[in-house]
Amino acid sequence: DVVMTQSPLSLPVTLGQPASISCRSSQSLVYSDGNTYLNWFQQRPGQSPRRLIYKVSNRDSGVPDRFSGSGSGTDFTLKISRVEAEDVGVYYCMQGTHWPPFTFGPGTKVDIK
Amino acid sequence: QVQLVQSGAEVKKPGASVKVSCKASGYTFTSYGISWVRQAPGQGLEWMGWISAYNGNTNYAQKLQGRVTMTTDTSTSTAYMELRSLRSDDTAVYYCARVTYYDFWSGPDYWGQGTLVTVSS
Repeated sequence: DVVMTQSPLSLPVTLGQPASISCRSSQSLVYSDGNTYLNWFQQRPGQSPRRLIYKVSNRDSGVPDRFSGSGSGTDFTLKISRVEAEDVGVYYCMQGTHWPPFTFGPGTKVDIK
Repeated sequence: QVQLVQSGAEVKKPGASVKVSCKASGYTFTSYGISWVRQAPGQGLEWMGWISAYNGNTNYAQKLQGRVTMTTDTSTSTAYMELRSLRSDDTAVYYCARVTYYDFWSGPDYWGQGTLVTVSS
């Protein structure tokens, strides 16, 4: 199975400041159709996960534009341009290219300093 | 609006079985699949498997093969996940989540509220 790693695992941030989370995969996530199936999920405290970004950089409906995704191959980044209080939670990257299975990263916990 | 409403919390003894339901609304049930994902207390997300609501095809995580069965009832737009021979390390919140067919590898786009299954003697 493809192993997903994330850094940092804990990210204290100041409100209004940017934040960046790195995700790496043990194999290239470029699929035979040319797409790269690297997706990001947010899980706020006590809530179900919610998909934020799919195929590296596509924001889901309703996701604020302060969230952006980038990267290629095995290295990917989720950026929050200006952190707001509602962004507190755990962020997971997930690969779909080498399904089955879908594999998730260990999660990065974002909280406010 | 798309909703996935799961059944309530369960407490089971080791060796028992549990069946969690997930009732879908707000979309055409058979036009999507359902993935199941679990999360042990304080831990990350683990994909358990997937079922096509169109034809019932399934794919299960290797570590759960032989213990898990996923089914659907199209007449009620409900998906089910049964896990047998429960162990203490099966204690987790179990989520159902919708997946599209046309963009399957982008993962689930809508999630249920989760069902806590506690395995304890």
